[in-house]
Amino acid sequence: GESVGLHLPTLSVQEGDNSIINCAYSNSASDYFIWYKQESGKGPQFIIDIRSNMDKRQGQRVTVLLNKTVKHLSLQIAATQPGDSAVYFCAENTFKSSNYKLTFGKGTLLTVNP
Amino acid sequence: GAVVSQHPSRVICKSGTSVKIECRSLDFQATTMFWYRQFPKQSLMLMATSNEGSKATYEQGVEKDKFLINHASLTLSTLTVTSAHPEDSSFYICSAKKPGTGGYNEQFFGPGTRLTVL
Repeated sequence: GESVGLHLPTLSVQEGDNSIINCAYSNSASDYFIWYKQESGKGPQFIIDIRSNMDKRQGQRVTVLLNKTVKHLSLQIAATQPGDSAVYFCAENTFKSSNYKLTFGKGTLLTVNP
Repeated sequence: GAVVSQHPSRVICKSGTSVKIECRSLDFQATTMFWYRQFPKQSLMLMATSNEGSKATYEQGVEKDKFLINHASLTLSTLTVTSAHPEDSSFYICSAKKPGTGGYNEQFFGPGTRLTVL
């Protein structure tokens, strides 16, 4: 079936290191992908998105890479800070039953050690 | 811009009662809103898609008579959990689709509502 999954459920890094969070997806028809950050007890916060006609997109301290050949998505966070500690979700956009909808991955808990 | 609010942030109710959760887009009009449920340490699961002025589209396995959704205006959608039971205790999160994005379904999320049913 269709699914969005993550390779690592937890990731622990030292402050200042770079972090890489991975995501695999199985629906080749997905055309849009978003990374969200969720802090405890809060709603998801948009980080960065990428359309399927791109393979890389950069934001402030973040980069998303898309490899459609192997259906893989990654989020790179440069110079990770304690404030980056949160759960990170990738989400893929699909069109189904006359509606666009986001399917979320399982999430990766990122812990940044000072 | 693009702020979504939810009310209440937390609610505790007795089993068998109904609870209404409001989702508002504060600075934009949202023709489409979404309701998600999230259990502890799990991902967000889409419950339903709410289009202004029409009936909501529910995901498979979500009881439409138990989770009533009303999207009466371009800035307000409500979710009513009817005859709530302890297994309905969860974190309910709404989102609103950013206008003008067409099929690129960028959503802005509310802060969530923690429902506890005793």
